[in-house]
Amino acid sequence: EIVVTQSPGTLSLSPGERATLSCRASQSVSSSYVAWYQQKRGQAPSLLIYSASRRATGIPDRFSGSGSGTDFTLTISRLEPEDFAVYFCHVYGNSQFTFGPGTKVEIK
Amino acid sequence: EVQLVQSGAEVPKPGDSLRISCKASGYSFTHYWISWVRQMPGKGLEWMGRVAPGDSHSNYSPSFRGHVTISSDKSVSTAFLQWTSLTASDTAIYYCARSDGDYHDYWGQGTLVTVSS
Repeated sequence: EIVVTQSPGTLSLSPGERATLSCRASQSVSSSYVAWYQQKRGQAPSLLIYSASRRATGIPDRFSGSGSGTDFTLTISRLEPEDFAVYFCHVYGNSQFTFGPGTKVEIK
Repeated sequence: EVQLVQSGAEVPKPGDSLRISCKASGYSFTHYWISWVRQMPGKGLEWMGRVAPGDSHSNYSPSFRGHVTISSDKSVSTAFLQWTSLTASDTAIYYCARSDGDYHDYWGQGTLVTVSS
């Protein structure tokens, strides 16, 4: 079973700053199998990034994903007020999806 | 427009059985998997399992296998999540989500299940 960790648990930043979120898998995975989601308070999650680096439809280009092997990163280049939320990554492998515990991006 | 519309909030008692639903529209229901994802109060997302509506094949997370049943009815474009005996630890929001295999591109609005005597 793949274990997925995310760091940091909470990121306190100001609007306009850059956010860098990490997602680590316990074993090497294909980048095709890594996705990132945003969840705002009281809402369902929504897809941001798939295949590690491809933005979903309608996602602004301030969101970018990168990485390979076991280490993947979500970067938000300049935080907008609507970006303060919780971000989850997930990994697909062995016919299973595993979510990371999430990173909360909060206003400093 | 792709939509996944879930059934409403439920308040079953411990030991009750329950089935919640997820009705799909705006795409070919049999061409995509439907996953179910649990979110316990104040916690993260947990993938429970998925069903392929085309042939009703399902697979489960080891954490949920044997405790829930995931199924679908392609005649009404609807997926289901079912329990035979609920406990308080099943209290959570349950989301359905569409998947083409590697990621989940559309999500339902969530169904709150509160198990309480």
